[in-house]
Amino acid sequence: GIQVEQSPPDLILQEGANSTLRCNFSDSVNNLQWFHQNPWGQLINLFYIPSGTKQNGRLSATTVATERYSLLYISSSQTTDSGVYFCAVDDYNQGGKLIFGQGTELSVKP
Amino acid sequence: ETGVTQSPTHLIKTRGQQVTLRCSSQSGHNTVSWYQQALGQGPQFIFQYYREEENGRGNFPPRFSGLQFPNYSSELNVNALELDDSALYLCASSPRKGVGDTDTQYFGPGTRLTVL
Repeated sequence: GIQVEQSPPDLILQEGANSTLRCNFSDSVNNLQWFHQNPWGQLINLFYIPSGTKQNGRLSATTVATERYSLLYISSSQTTDSGVYFCAVDDYNQGGKLIFGQGTELSVKP
Repeated sequence: ETGVTQSPTHLIKTRGQQVTLRCSSQSGHNTVSWYQQALGQGPQFIFQYYREEENGRGNFPPRFSGLQFPNYSSELNVNALELDDSALYLCASSPRKGVGDTDTQYFGPGTRLTVL
C-alpha cells in the first residue's frame, strides 16, 4: 500500500516565525488533505489539494503530484497554531480510504 | 449546516465487553468512514460505508463491525474488547456522486474509548 512520510516529526517555533512541513507519498493518489489536530483531538480540514497550490490566510499548501510530495507553509505563526499536523492521501485502489502520515507536532512559543 | 457529530465523547469499558459508537454525518453526505487513532499515531482506516453498503475495509479483525442507516448516520461496533482497543475513534463523512468518486472527508470530534 501507499506509504506516507511527514517531516519533521517535531517542530518548535517562536511566535511570528515561518515554517514548512513536508509530506512525501510513495504512489499516485486521487486526493491529498492536510489536517490540524487540536489538543482535544478534533481533526480540522486545512486543505484538499491533490495538486497545485492553495492559500488560506497565513496558511498555504502546494502539492507536486508528479514528484509525490506536498508542502504546508505556515507564516507568522501564532500559539493557536500549536498541535499536530497530518497529511493524508486517498488510496482509491483500496476503497477510498485515507492513509495518514505520522504527523508533525508543532509547538509555537510566545 | 450541521457538521459531523459523534457520541459518546468518552467511554470506559472492561476487557471482553462490547461497545457501540455512533456518528451522524454532515448534511448531504452519503459516505461515512471510521478511523482508529492510538496515542501518538496517525489515524488508521477501519472501514467505509457508502449508501448503506461496506465499501472498503482496513486491516481490522471481524469483531470490528459497522452499519450505515438510510439517513447516512453510522455505528461502529466492537466485540470482545481488548486493552489495545483503547484509542480515539474518529468518524468522517464525505459527499460522493458514485463509487469511483473521491472528495474531502470531514471529521467528527471523536470518541475516546478506554478499555480496562
